[in-house]
Amino acid sequence: DQQVKQNSPSLSVQEGRISILNCDYTNSMFDYFLWYKKYPAEGPTFLISISSIKDKNEDGRFTVFLNKSAKHLSLHIVPSQPGDSAVYFCAASEFLGTGNQFYFGTGTSLTVIP
Amino acid sequence: KAGVTQTPRYLIKTRGQQVTLSCSPISGHRSVSWYQQTPGQGLQFLFEYFSETQRNKGNFPGRFSGRQFSNSRSEMNVSTLELGDSALYLCASSSGQVSYEQYFGPGTRLTVT
Repeated sequence: DQQVKQNSPSLSVQEGRISILNCDYTNSMFDYFLWYKKYPAEGPTFLISISSIKDKNEDGRFTVFLNKSAKHLSLHIVPSQPGDSAVYFCAASEFLGTGNQFYFGTGTSLTVIP
Repeated sequence: KAGVTQTPRYLIKTRGQQVTLSCSPISGHRSVSWYQQTPGQGLQFLFEYFSETQRNKGNFPGRFSGRQFSNSRSEMNVSTLELGDSALYLCASSSGQVSYEQYFGPGTRLTVT
């Protein structure tokens, strides 16, 4: 059963506009959420994260919003640039006492059109 | 600092064979996790090793096993390969006991025919 879901497999946005990528989760024990970006033939690279005790974290053009009551996470990219075109994975962490276990969504492919 | 390296990058095997994949973490990192990525399934957690001990395990059959050496390098083994094992296998390293940031290698693309 998929505990982290990204329901949009793809998204296209014009350069300069806002990209909004969404993620839903089911496990209320998740304590940390992360976004990764993946280019073809490369491994995912860490982008931005947020603790479950916060509702917003910002890093330059990237902002992550967390709505715990809705179990919903979103990544905003403003302004979008062609170099942002990649697959974005949402991930959530659950601390199990012996360490963290991470659950990933299926990814959203973002295309930024010049 | 060198990144996470995985070898080989590409592998073709036939059903019933076994395969061993290797991962070298970032220097100083003690945790190595393995993931399987297939289309439509995202990244599925296989297992995590910390200081040579398996710390967590995902829901994969016993055909999937791993180990970690004293230098933190890790290997993953899949025995009796099935067609459904065709996937990109990613390893990720992180620094410490509790760490949220993982650094991924480029992956090993395994094709089972």
